[in-house]
Amino acid sequence: QKEVEQNSGPLSVPEGAIASLNCTYSDRGSQSFFWYRQYSGKSPELIMSIYSNGDKEDGRFTAQLNKASQYVSLLIRDSQPSDSATYLCAVNGRGRSGGSNYKLTFGKGTLLTVNP
Amino acid sequence: DVKVTQSSRYLVKRTGEKVFLECVQDMDHENMFWYRQDPGLGLRLIYFSYDVKMKEKGDIPEGYSVSREKKERFSLILESASTNQTSMYLCATLGRAFGGYTFGSGTRLTVV
Repeated sequence: QKEVEQNSGPLSVPEGAIASLNCTYSDRGSQSFFWYRQYSGKSPELIMSIYSNGDKEDGRFTAQLNKASQYVSLLIRDSQPSDSATYLCAVNGRGRSGGSNYKLTFGKGTLLTVNP
Repeated sequence: DVKVTQSSRYLVKRTGEKVFLECVQDMDHENMFWYRQDPGLGLRLIYFSYDVKMKEKGDIPEGYSVSREKKERFSLILESASTNQTSMYLCATLGRAFGGYTFGSGTRLTVV
């Protein structure tokens, strides 16, 4: 059973701080990694994707991937109260033929609260 | 932008009823998915479809079926609704460029 594990939180940070969200995955063949943000009562919204080892930055968000450690993280700089949400890590695997498996496995999410 | 529309935002049905949840997308995406989301359990895949008339079981298909007669529409069917199917149901789509799913707004189903 492929698994994606996240710290359940809640994670609470003051406004302006860096929020660090972590995710580990069990399938070493995983090829694509995503972070979704989900506000209460809403559907998940894609905020970051990362496919190769290293860092990927988009505005205040940085995704970090380490395939050897099977670890992916999301950093949110200058956290704002509007960042308060549940953050979902999602991972896809390798299909039978070795290509991408289009199914995503999601972690259970980390609830982030940014305090003004 | 891809638009994924789920027909109902909130739905209340009785135990034993046959329930249809509809999902329509407007961007010609091949892949469509149905998930349910429950507190403490996260998102779980029910069924997915790679193409018209093609369907595959996800992790929790029991009690559900699907239909994909047209590329843009993917329907989830609860054959005989039960109270343990009370949940948030999310439809998602994915195009050829694998850039992650786009989700619909969700249907919160309550079975009484």
